[in-house]
Amino acid sequence: QVQLVGSGGGVVQPGRSLRLSCVVSGFTFSNYAMHWVRQAPGKGLEWVAVISYDGSNKYYADSVKGRFTISRDNSKNTLYLQMNSLRAEDTALYYCAKDTTIFGVASGFDYWGQGTLVTVSS
Amino acid sequence: QSVLTQPPSVSGAPGQRVTISCTGSSSNIGAGYDVHWYQQLPGTAPKLLIYGNSNRPSGVPDRFSGSKSGTSASLAITGLQAEDEADYYCQSYDNSLSGSVFGGGTKLTVL
Repeated sequence: QVQLVGSGGGVVQPGRSLRLSCVVSGFTFSNYAMHWVRQAPGKGLEWVAVISYDGSNKYYADSVKGRFTISRDNSKNTLYLQMNSLRAEDTALYYCAKDTTIFGVASGFDYWGQGTLVTVSS
Repeated sequence: QSVLTQPPSVSGAPGQRVTISCTGSSSNIGAGYDVHWYQQLPGTAPKLLIYGNSNRPSGVPDRFSGSKSGTSASLAITGLQAEDEADYYCQSYDNSLSGSVFGGGTKLTVL
């Protein structure tokens, strides 16, 4: 069955960096766009970034543009989120999610990981 | 403030019908982009409930239905059950932001 397993979260000081990973199985990873979506404690969902099936197209929410980088390694079935210059407001549960299409534009997310918690605090 | 506007909460008794609205603008729902709905049970990851405005993934009961008109969309739940108590989110694409957007979420309480 489809599985998305996120990892890499933790407690980090403001201004520092962290890299999240999401290992997938149960579907052909290289055939789908992938997203990161976050949820601050007690708050709603916020879309963070999307990467197309081959990594050629990437888009970001304004709140993370210039600080976060989404990438993928199709040979390892793994999605990444490099987070730099972290701020307190980046504290959230970060979900990786599978898109239903190759480009990830205007489509839904049909499978989600369990989430990995990032806490930015001094 | 979320780009898509949802009521913070709705409630209904078991067996009743409730609807959750999702209001956007000309750069997202009104531009013709599809709306998708997710159910998030307490302490779990979101689950795709409706895709492409009105389509149900396999395994989603037909008590759940979606519709879209103009700059708004709606999720309807009929025959409310206790297990439906959850947070519900709408999602679409916004061409001025060049990215996906979510509604603020609606907490459904089954009385």
